Amino acid sequence: GDSVTQMEGPVTLSEEAFLTINCTYTATGYPSLFWYVQYPGEGLQLLLKATKADDKGSNKGFEATYRKETTSFHLEKGSVQVSDSAVYFCALRRSNAGGTSYGKLTFGQGTILTVHP
Amino acid sequence: GAVVSQHPSRVICKSGTSVKIECRSLDFQATTMFWYRQFPKQSLMLMATSNEGSKATYEQGVEKDKFLINHASLTLSTLTVTSAHPEDSSFYICSAREQGISSYEQYFGPGTRLTVT
Repeated sequence: GDSVTQMEGPVTLSEEAFLTINCTYTATGYPSLFWYVQYPGEGLQLLLKATKADDKGSNKGFEATYRKETTSFHLEKGSVQVSDSAVYFCALRRSNAGGTSYGKLTFGQGTILTVHP
Repeated sequence: GAVVSQHPSRVICKSGTSVKIECRSLDFQATTMFWYRQFPKQSLMLMATSNEGSKATYEQGVEKDKFLINHASLTLSTLTVTSAHPEDSSFYICSAREQGISSYEQYFGPGTRLTVT
């Protein structure tokens, strides 16, 4: 079945440090890949996505590139801020149309990021 | 836009009682809603998918008679945990997909913390 593996946290960084959160996946077909962020007390929000190989998703200074050859979708940011402190989830969605599984998201276990001033 | 609310945010109940959790899409109509369960430091696990006006589709291993899902309108889905036991204590999260939108993006609620004593 589909699965997503994220690097274990928590990750603690100083402000302006470089961030990488690793994500690898196992899936049949050609899934779409997502990063969601969950700020304290809030619901998950879509951070960025990529729908095909070599696509780069980007938002708010975060980037991730869909690497089919390594089945990876690592999240990066060049200079983190205190406000980036949150839980980050990598997820995939099957690309096949039809059936009850279409639209179903499979999540990684989440990575807690804490950024200190 | 695209706000999803959940009520209550926290609930404590006694073993053997039933608890209802509501999920509402506040500014859009949701054809499909998803219910997830999240254990501490673990991923979100999809429990079931509900489509307005039809029966929910449960994931393998989820007891449909224990976790009753009703999606009676395009803005409301409910999850009822029947005869709750301490092992049902968890964080329950819903998400909603907007009607008629082909992107299949899900909007997440803030979650409900259930504690069964």
